[in-house]
Amino acid sequence: AQSVTQLDSHVSVSEGTPVLLRCNYSSSYSPSLFWYVQHPNKGLQLLLKYTSAATLVKGINGFEAEFKKSETSFHLTKPSAHMSDAAEYFCVLSTGGFKTIFGAGTRLFVKA
Amino acid sequence: DGGITQSPKYLFRKEGQNVTLSCEQNLNHDAMYWYRQDPGQGLRLIYYSQIVNDFQKGDIAEGYSVSREKKESFPLTVTSAQKNPTAFYLCASRTTASHQPQHFGDGTRLSIL
Repeated sequence: AQSVTQLDSHVSVSEGTPVLLRCNYSSSYSPSLFWYVQHPNKGLQLLLKYTSAATLVKGINGFEAEFKKSETSFHLTKPSAHMSDAAEYFCVLSTGGFKTIFGAGTRLFVKA
Repeated sequence: DGGITQSPKYLFRKEGQNVTLSCEQNLNHDAMYWYRQDPGQGLRLIYYSQIVNDFQKGDIAEGYSVSREKKESFPLTVTSAQKNPTAFYLCASRTTASHQPQHFGDGTRLSIL
């Protein structure tokens, strides 16, 4: 069975400190994994994607994620949080078909 | 610029009324999707379409209907049979190539009057 688990529903960091949003996946097939960000009353914006090339993926706005097959993880990181990073983040799994599997989301709070 | 346009941004429905949410894309994508988002529940798939004149039910299709008469357009009708329609509705599209991400519109917020 295919599934995505975002391990934290809420994460709170101070501005200028590192961000870690955790995502584990389960897939019987070679997965593609994506991270999206959603600001209030907006659609989802693609941050980065892993599609079986380099395991360390760099995205927009300074975010990056590392695909670890042995740990079935695809955690999202950023070295230094900015106030504008406060949003909801979704980890998404695709197994090549037309449907995708969304994680439940992690809300990131950034304190001044 | 290429993208997905959803309209209206806000919509109000009276009891017993059907309402239609518009979704248009100029990305030349074959596949299109409708999702419902409720607070704290992530995204749930309502309908999807892989090609013109064809569509499939998602996980929560009851009370909704769609059409796909043109590649660019995938309107969603929320019927009076949907008893709890208040939610944020998101439309997405993607190419049919494997392992490609979906692209999203900015959503329509539907409320009951």
